[in-house]
This record gives sequence, structure tokens and C-alpha cells, in this order.
Amino acid sequence: EAQVTQNPRYLITVTGKKLTVTCSQNMNHEYMSWYRQDPGLGLRQIYYSMNVEVTDKGDVPEGYKVSRKEKRNFPLILESPSPNQTSLYFCASSDRGHEQYFGPGTRLTVT
Amino acid sequence: QQPVQSPQAVILREGEDAVINCSSSKALYSVHWYRQKHGEAPIFLMILLKGGEQKGHDKISASFNEKKQQSSLYLTASQLSYSGTYFCGTESMANFGNEKLTFGTGTRLTIIP
Repeated sequence: EAQVTQNPRYLITVTGKKLTVTCSQNMNHEYMSWYRQDPGLGLRQIYYSMNVEVTDKGDVPEGYKVSRKEKRNFPLILESPSPNQTSLYFCASSDRGHEQYFGPGTRLTVT
Repeated sequence: QQPVQSPQAVILREGEDAVINCSSSKALYSVHWYRQKHGEAPIFLMILLKGGEQKGHDKISASFNEKKQQSSLYLTASQLSYSGTYFCGTESMANFGNEKLTFGTGTRLTIIP
């Protein structure tokens, strides 16, 4: 089954404690992205990747890091989380010019 | 800068029609449309490419006016299953080729029996 998986689905953590949200896709897609979703603001892109070892900043990259060492994986790293990073996070993948497949989402709370 | 969607919210009775608009200040290559149910991931509806095309399937269709950098999503004879939040995602000409989408803030559609 074609899918994008994210882990964990829910996470409560404290300010400053480094965390990683994993994202994996099984469709051999070249393009992958991370979005955050906040009430009233829609989906805002954090980082995106066009292929292995090729990443670029989206619209709200501050406080986040990513890596793309393998085609299927695109982890999101928060080195020192802060409360303003409390949000719903989605990973997505696609081929050029085609629909984006979204993962199920990760709800992060930073206290 | 995020594209502007209008209206922000709309309530319809089952069987009525709706139009959701998406407007960008940038020259666009493509517009994507997605629907999201509460607590779920966005689901793809359609892509429209530069060229002013119109697409549709079933009772949902969309148009893309590249001169105005606007797209509209049309839902006819709405069904209860159409309820959700609709997002447009735009790919600007400046970002052509890198699949960088900028999403609007969404339009919440509620269908009542």
C-alpha cells in the first residue's frame, strides 16, 4: 500500500529537549516536504527536499533542521524546541507535477 | 506570501452549490486543491497547470485563470461528504521545478442535511 508514515503521532515534551519526528515514504518519490498547521494559518512549509542530499528552506524554517540521506526518509529535527513550535506537523511526498501524499500527522506539544 | 482564499467559511444545505476562490500575488505555474477532514491528513483533489485549463471529476471542478493568478473550485449539488476544509496550494513560476507549494489559509465548508 502506497503511504507516508510519521512517528510519533503524538508527542508531549519540554522546552529545550531535542526531538526527531521521522517520515518515511514507500513510493520512491523524489520530492518530500514538512509542513506545520496552526489554526487560522493553514499549512505552512518548513523545509522541502528535491532529492537525496538536496534540501531547501520553506516559509517557516527557523528552529528546525532536516536531512535527506536516503530517498525514502526525511526526518524533522527540533534541536531546542520551544512552546511556539507546538503544532500539528505533516510530512508529504510527491513526484514532479503530481499530487502530494500526506502522512497522518504528528501532534506536538512543547511545555 | 500565502495565497488568499475566499470565503473563509461557508454553510450550505445538501444539494446546494459552492465556489471557493484562491488568489495569488505571484505568477503561477500550477494550483493544487486539497480537502481536509478534521483531524485527518489533506487529501488531493486536482492540479491545474499554467494554460488556463479547467478540470473536474464527479461534481467537483476547478478553473485556473493565469492572467489573474486566480483559481476557483466549484462544488455542485453538494453532499454531506463534501464537508471539510479546502486548501489551495500554489506553485509560483519563480519556484518552478522544485515542487514548493504555498498553501492558503483554508475555506471551511459545512454541509447540513
